[in-house]
Amino acid sequence: QVQLVQSGSELKKPGASVKVSCKTSGYTFTKFAINWVRQAPGQGLEWVGWINTNTGNPAFAQAFTGRFVFSLDTSVSTAYLQISSLKTEDTAVYYCALKQYTGYQLDYWGQGTLVTVSS
Amino acid sequence: EIVLTQSPGTLSLSPGERATLSCRASQTVSSSYLAWYQQKPGQAPRLLLYGASIRATGIPDRFSGSGSGTDFTLTISRLEPEDFAVYYCQQYGNSPPGPIFTFGPGTKVDIK
Repeated sequence: QVQLVQSGSELKKPGASVKVSCKTSGYTFTKFAINWVRQAPGQGLEWVGWINTNTGNPAFAQAFTGRFVFSLDTSVSTAYLQISSLKTEDTAVYYCALKQYTGYQLDYWGQGTLVTVSS
Repeated sequence: EIVLTQSPGTLSLSPGERATLSCRASQTVSSSYLAWYQQKPGQAPRLLLYGASIRATGIPDRFSGSGSGTDFTLTISRLEPEDFAVYYCQQYGNSPPGPIFTFGPGTKVDIK
């Protein structure tokens, strides 16, 4: 079965960087694009962007350009989200989620990674 | 950018009752691009419906979706205890400058 397992919670200081991983299994890695979704405490869902697992090309929501980077390690079917110059307002749970290239919804989700930014 | 509005913000119902949740878009959305998710506290969202009305794998048939254009509805025919959660609608857009997923603010269904 399709599984997405994310790395554990992170506590970082403002200005630092963080890298969150999303290890996938149970399907052919290149069949789905990997999306990232942010959920601030007590708030709704916000799409960060996605990465094409065939080409490595990313796409970002306008609010997430500049400090957010996606990467892949296809040898271990894992995607990464790196956020630099962290701000307190980046405190949130970050989810990875799969989208079929022929679909328009997020079919499978990781369990989420809490990133806390605090001095 | 298309903005999604969900109503009501909170719906207080008893088990066995019918729940009707609304999702309204600021512009016309293709039904193919409209999905619904369920999120329970401390859990990741779960896909319920896509294409406005197609149930995802394993979703019970008490969940149904309808609508077109700018108005979409999620209906839970008879609430089970495990259905008390937050529900989000989502639309997909692919106009310049690029693709985007947009979520509504959510409707919380809680126990009356």
